[in-house]
Amino acid sequence: AQKITQTQPGMFVQEKEAVTLDCTYDTSDQSYGLFWYKQPSSGEMIFLIYQGSYDEQNATEGRYSLNFQKARKSANLVISASQLGDSAMYFCAMREGLDSNYQLIWGAGTKLIIKP
Amino acid sequence: SAVISQKPSRDICQRGTSLTIQCQVDSQVTMMFWYRQQPGQSLTLIATANQGSEATYESGFVIDKFPISRPNLTFSTLTVSNMSPEDSSIYLCSVEYYAGVPLRTDTQYFGPGTRLTVL
Repeated sequence: AQKITQTQPGMFVQEKEAVTLDCTYDTSDQSYGLFWYKQPSSGEMIFLIYQGSYDEQNATEGRYSLNFQKARKSANLVISASQLGDSAMYFCAMREGLDSNYQLIWGAGTKLIIKP
Repeated sequence: SAVISQKPSRDICQRGTSLTIQCQVDSQVTMMFWYRQQPGQSLTLIATANQGSEATYESGFVIDKFPISRPNLTFSTLTVSNMSPEDSSIYLCSVEYYAGVPLRTDTQYFGPGTRLTVL
């Protein structure tokens, strides 16, 4: 079974609109962390935001926020006021356990294209 | 966060040859990782490279094909040996360290990647 599922292979969004990228996860661990990364066409992977399983509040970082619904096992990335530079691949990843002894498990990614 | 550089940024190689990719970090880190990203795919972990010990390879990756060196806490190399067109990928190194407030977790940061094409 897939541990990380990103159901949207691709999305088109009008510039300045908000966009939600879906991520659902599967784990029986109580301690885990969820990460989102952005990969522009240049190929680099850019860390965006993190949510720990014990964090009571949704993580926010500038225009990025994470809609964390623990009971539904979803950790959707919300980008407010989208910009042309947001066009990229976005990957959701999970670590089961909270320290570096555990590897990141990666989703398949969502390709986001922002239309002018 | 740490500044991570990779060399080369891209290369086009002939089958049967080898390419060594360098990863340099501007601060000392214990945990370094090498990933492969085949075209249109997600990331696949090749190996974990900790200074002072042999690299730990994931299933499907072997040392003869992907030898790794980690001579110190700021540098690592990955060699792709006896290349075939199936090795055409982006190769990414990453480092992991405790990111402190407000994240309070070990977080991976990536280099810019090496885009390899094998003809």
